[in-house]
Amino acid sequence: GAVVSQHPSWVICKSGTSVKIECRSLDFQATTMFWYRQFPKQSLMLMATSNEGSKATYEQGVEKDKFLINHASLTLSTLTVTSAHPEDSSFYICSASGRVTDTQYFGPGTRLTVL
Amino acid sequence: SQQGEEDPQALSIQEGENATMNCSYKTSINNLQWYRQNSGRGLVHLILIRSNEREKHSGRLRVTLDTSKKSSSLLITASRAADTASYFCASQQYNFNKFYFGSGTKLNVKP
Repeated sequence: GAVVSQHPSWVICKSGTSVKIECRSLDFQATTMFWYRQFPKQSLMLMATSNEGSKATYEQGVEKDKFLINHASLTLSTLTVTSAHPEDSSFYICSASGRVTDTQYFGPGTRLTVL
Repeated sequence: SQQGEEDPQALSIQEGENATMNCSYKTSINNLQWYRQNSGRGLVHLILIRSNEREKHSGRLRVTLDTSKKSSSLLITASRAADTASYFCASQQYNFNKFYFGSGTKLNVKP
């Protein structure tokens, strides 16, 4: 199957700093990428959907100014958590789909800890 | 909430027994997919069932879909200790290329 990578796999940062997480599709062109957040022992919550070259569509309740998403190419999307606070600590997972839109390929996730 | 419900929330069985978990979703769908997640790890895709299908098999997995009830079930037969994980359903919204996850079932298979 297709491979999606995320970088970094984990990050620890101080409160107030910004953190960028990269999501790359390694062997296919990802026309759509998705960002999810997962708190411990909970399910994945869809944060936003991004199509290459256009603005991301955010789910209700997700602050677009806090979670900046850029999908500048068909193989790369980034999520920047701005002015991170301890409550932003979570597992962030991206996924990507290509021309076959009923299939999404998941990255391994990034664990963010904000001190 | 965007999430559908899954039940049970937790299931503990002996190796060799069957495990059944159920998922409900809220809106019309293109398809529904089941994933497994080991603790703190990424997702593993198990099986996809389309909205015009009622049942699908893959190895020890059997999934059913009832669109009139907006529900699906996943059956794992002859369970193994290695099946211990959390299981999630994800529904792809009709006419929208996005996926919503159910609340998950944590399965523990005792050797």
